[in-house]
Amino acid sequence: DAMVIQNPRYQVTQFGKPVTLSCSQTLNHNVMYWYQQKSSQAPKLLFHYYDKDFNNEADTPDNFQSRRPNTSFCFLDIRSPGLGDAAMYLCATRSTQGRETQYFGPGTRLLVL
Amino acid sequence: GESVGLHLPTLSVQEGDNSIINCAYSNSASDYFIWYKQESGKGPQFIIDIRSNMDKRQGQRVTVLLNKTVKHLSLQIAATQPGDSAVYFCAENYGGNQFYFGTGTSLTVIP
Repeated sequence: DAMVIQNPRYQVTQFGKPVTLSCSQTLNHNVMYWYQQKSSQAPKLLFHYYDKDFNNEADTPDNFQSRRPNTSFCFLDIRSPGLGDAAMYLCATRSTQGRETQYFGPGTRLLVL
Repeated sequence: GESVGLHLPTLSVQEGDNSIINCAYSNSASDYFIWYKQESGKGPQFIIDIRSNMDKRQGQRVTVLLNKTVKHLSLQIAATQPGDSAVYFCAENYGGNQFYFGTGTSLTVIP
């Protein structure tokens, strides 16, 4: 059973056209993350939510925003995608109770035309 | 984020041999480490973790070694199988919620 679900798996957008990527979880974890992963590179942390508290990484561009309306859902908004934003976007969850590892979704591959 | 690097970007091993994947981390305050396996087109998958109060931890066919003196982490895979072919990442955590990933090593198992 899927525990961290990302939709869509593939997303095509146009240069400068806002796009939203979705993540949902069935684990009831209190922390949710968004990572950007470019080809042959490591996942790069963009930001995370600890419950409702948003935590941005210092080097995450303002072009990237996030929303977490409830425990189960988290969205990544790219306000004006550039060609350099084409990447795999990974959502992960984690519980601060008990086991501390992250659980990753399958990712959404974003193509910017 | 902090720098977590790997010495070897690619590694090829014969099926049945043991594999060793290395990772150097830079933050001496890091106290929790995870090894992930990532297959093509998929998200990272947890393999094994270790806390800084340990120097070795074993799982099924995998062992993680931690050397805090030189800030080095390694993943050993015993009797490597074709299904082990993937990219392996280490990630570090130093008490908050953030996890920072290393460069990654691509492991290819030759049948």
